[in-house]
Amino acid sequence: GAVVSQHPSRVICKSGTSVKIECRSLDFQATTMFWYRQFPKQSLMLMATSNEGSKATYEQGVEKDKFLINHASLTLSTLTVTSAHPEDSSFYICSARDGQSSYNSPLHFGNGTRLTVT
Amino acid sequence: GEDVEQSLFLSVREGDSSVINCTYTDSSSTYLYWYKQEPGAGLQLLTYIFSNMDMKQDQRLTVLLNKKDKHLSLRIADTQTGDSAIYFCAESPHTSGTYKYIFGTGTRLKVLA
Repeated sequence: GAVVSQHPSRVICKSGTSVKIECRSLDFQATTMFWYRQFPKQSLMLMATSNEGSKATYEQGVEKDKFLINHASLTLSTLTVTSAHPEDSSFYICSARDGQSSYNSPLHFGNGTRLTVT
Repeated sequence: GEDVEQSLFLSVREGDSSVINCTYTDSSSTYLYWYKQEPGAGLQLLTYIFSNMDMKQDQRLTVLLNKKDKHLSLRIADTQTGDSAIYFCAESPHTSGTYKYIFGTGTRLKVLA
């Protein structure tokens, strides 16, 4: 089945530093990937839609300069949290849709990245 | 609005059936999905149903869809302790052609041995 690999699974960084999270589709090509943020005991909040070869589309209230998204290939999207602060601590999850499948085929999710900013 | 509602908690005994309910909002959703999230992990697709179907069964899982009431349910037969997790329903309304998911609030299922 479709596998989405997300790295790192856990990262602790100091306030003011930047952190890059990678999301890879291992056995399919993903023209579109989605980045979510999940607060403890809450649902997933869509942050942005990552489109291969073009600019990401950010949801309202999400700072594009704070959360940089790059989708340079059909199998890799990266989310960089720039100048991280403790309030950015959260669980970040990416998902991808097989570009060969229907436009509304199920999304496949990575295992998430737990970011802690000290 | 775009709220997808679920009850927050459900507790069942091992071997019993679990029924998790979901109320969605957008009738343009072609598919509706159920995902499972274990602690500290991402989401695992359990099953999904096409909007013109009323019921779909897949081994221990049965999905019922009432499109008129915009109500979706997931029944887990013979619930096991390994089924303890958070369950999310999701709709994918056709908004701007991107089919973004809108997730429910999640139901935390606890299975008692």
